[in-house]
Amino acid sequence: DTGVSQDPRHKITKRGQNVTFRCDPISEHNRLYWYRQTLGQGPEFLTYFQNEAQLEKSRLLSDRFSAERPKGSFSTLEIQRTEQGDSAMYLCASSSTVNTGELFFGEGSRLTVL
Amino acid sequence: AQSVTQLGSHVSVSEGALVLLRCNYSSSVPPYLFWYVQYPNQGLQLLLKYTSAATLVKGINGFEAEFKKSETSFHLTKPSAHMSDAAEYFCAVIPYGNNRLAFGKGNQVVVIP
Repeated sequence: DTGVSQDPRHKITKRGQNVTFRCDPISEHNRLYWYRQTLGQGPEFLTYFQNEAQLEKSRLLSDRFSAERPKGSFSTLEIQRTEQGDSAMYLCASSSTVNTGELFFGEGSRLTVL
Repeated sequence: AQSVTQLGSHVSVSEGALVLLRCNYSSSVPPYLFWYVQYPNQGLQLLLKYTSAATLVKGINGFEAEFKKSETSFHLTKPSAHMSDAAEYFCAVIPYGNNRLAFGKGNQVVVIP
């Protein structure tokens, strides 16, 4: 048990619908990351927060994607107007500032867009 | 951009045999390097990391990796495979001056009884 929880674990939606994923990090961690993983690929970086500030966003994060971390605690990742290409596993991870690279991952939220 | 390369998406190894997973990085400056493991239906977890303190790094579950600057490599080994080692293994890098992990494509390890 890594301590990072993600909800929902599975989401099936129709193309064009909006979906939101939630991540609760380990409480003492001030960094929170979102990654996306598709079959046969390693996790791809999407964005990360230090406390409530979103410090970096990948080019993969189109305008349809938005992430927030209000009050520096949990985070949400919203995908608007979903497309079939958005089908993937969305991973959340957290870490402390000191141990950069030592990320603690949740089990992921699997999105299927029909 | 700095990255890592893992060759051979699927690796089959007999129980008790050596596990060898190859990882090469592209960087003129030695980065921070990591191996992560993902067991079925679990989140990724850190196996070991290299941060320039020692070239031979020991991790959990009997795994170790050796950093070789001359070969720009960070291969993962385990002397004797166990059935419980069946998982997907990812090499990852944090480029110098960066704050995020970049992962390789991964190796799916199958252990044959």
